Amino acid sequence: EDQVTQSPEALRLQEGESSSLNCSYTVSGLRGLFWYRQDPGKGPEFLFTLYSAGEEKEKERLKATLTKKESFLHITAPKPEDSATYLCAVQAGTNAGKSTFGDGTTLTVKP
Amino acid sequence: EPEVTQTPSHQVTQMGQEVILRCVPISNHLYFYWYRQILGQKVEFLVSFYNNEISEKSEIFDDQFSVERPDGSNFTLKIRSTKLEDSAMYFCASNGQPNSPLHFGNGTRLTVT
Repeated sequence: EDQVTQSPEALRLQEGESSSLNCSYTVSGLRGLFWYRQDPGKGPEFLFTLYSAGEEKEKERLKATLTKKESFLHITAPKPEDSATYLCAVQAGTNAGKSTFGDGTTLTVKP
Repeated sequence: EPEVTQTPSHQVTQMGQEVILRCVPISNHLYFYWYRQILGQKVEFLVSFYNNEISEKSEIFDDQFSVERPDGSNFTLKIRSTKLEDSAMYFCASNGQPNSPLHFGNGTRLTVT
């Protein structure tokens, strides 16, 4: 069974204080690892897809990286508007389309 | 930008009643999904649907649940006899091909009393 574990559960940062979120996964045949952002009362919003170890993607203050066992979401100089829950999900094996999600990391950025 | 729309945004029902949650996926997408999120818990897969049939379903998706694509645009989730534990946020999602990112709607909050 595919497993996704995210840490920390919650992260509080000062504006401008860079940090990283972790997503560890155990799957059989990774097809893709996805990062989503979820605001309260809303559906997850897609951020990045990573398909193979060593791959990196970047968008504004966010950068996602992937190894064979984990992914990191690096947040550089965060702003209050980056406050949200960040979800990691994997698609694996022959279960095309089915995504297994982690519990998420709730990020709060204080001005 | 095209988006997935879900109605209603909030549904309150009594235990034992039937509910239908509605979704309009992105028009050129071929794969459709339902996920649910119980308050404070992770997003859980319920079912995937492709080419007018269920591709995969989870253990949660028992005989009380069904999905349908009644026309070219709508995708529905029916719960025949709701239980208290069905209270959750239900998200519809779609994508154009497997292993591509999911596009989620903003969910229907189902409250069973």
